[in-house]
Amino acid sequence: DAKTTQPPSMDCAEGRAANLPCNHSTISGNEYVYWYRQIHSQGPQYIIHGLKNNETNEMASLIITEDRKSSTLILPHATLRDTAVYYCIVRVNANAGKSTFGDGTTLTVKP
Amino acid sequence: DAEITQSPRHKITETGRQVTLACHQTWNHNNMFWYRQDLGHGLRLIHYSYGVQDTNKGEVSDGYSVSRSNTEDLPLTLESAASSQTSVYFCASSDTQETQYFGPGTRLLVL
Repeated sequence: DAKTTQPPSMDCAEGRAANLPCNHSTISGNEYVYWYRQIHSQGPQYIIHGLKNNETNEMASLIITEDRKSSTLILPHATLRDTAVYYCIVRVNANAGKSTFGDGTTLTVKP
Repeated sequence: DAEITQSPRHKITETGRQVTLACHQTWNHNNMFWYRQDLGHGLRLIHYSYGVQDTNKGEVSDGYSVSRSNTEDLPLTLESAASSQTSVYFCASSDTQETQYFGPGTRLLVL
């Protein structure tokens, strides 16, 4: 599976959009981009995933560049409860066990 | 509601002892995974299974074993616990293209 690079930490004001970047320059054509988050040592929680088209669900939006070498997770209106570690991983699909979560980005939402 | 549970939630053991961590899911998912997470870092894959009687080694499998005798359970065994295995252990399950669902974690301390 391709490796990913994320900034170690980011801050965001409550109510503003949080934009979390991820670089995955060695991604293969059949690999999806997945985003998870982990709140205060709980089990990771799925947020969203995509292959090449932009995706949106009730939690977030995922923007994938045309060359697929990077992506951005957007939380449109961050709340204090969105403070968490956010992980970007790439893999063929959820069926592929050979995936590793990097150190992620610690997002702190401030009042 | 379907869920994934882990037991025990906290465990203290001594070096050299055998320890088994339980993971049980009620989604009837074929795929199950075990990860460890060391303080301040992301998750690393230990073992995974794509179905009954199937087991595969992950990134950090040395010192661990799993068995899959039914769909619902994937117990993780530390044959001879070492201090380096002090960590938080997460179990997850998924089915084909779906995302992984994670359990609440087991905190293991090896003295």
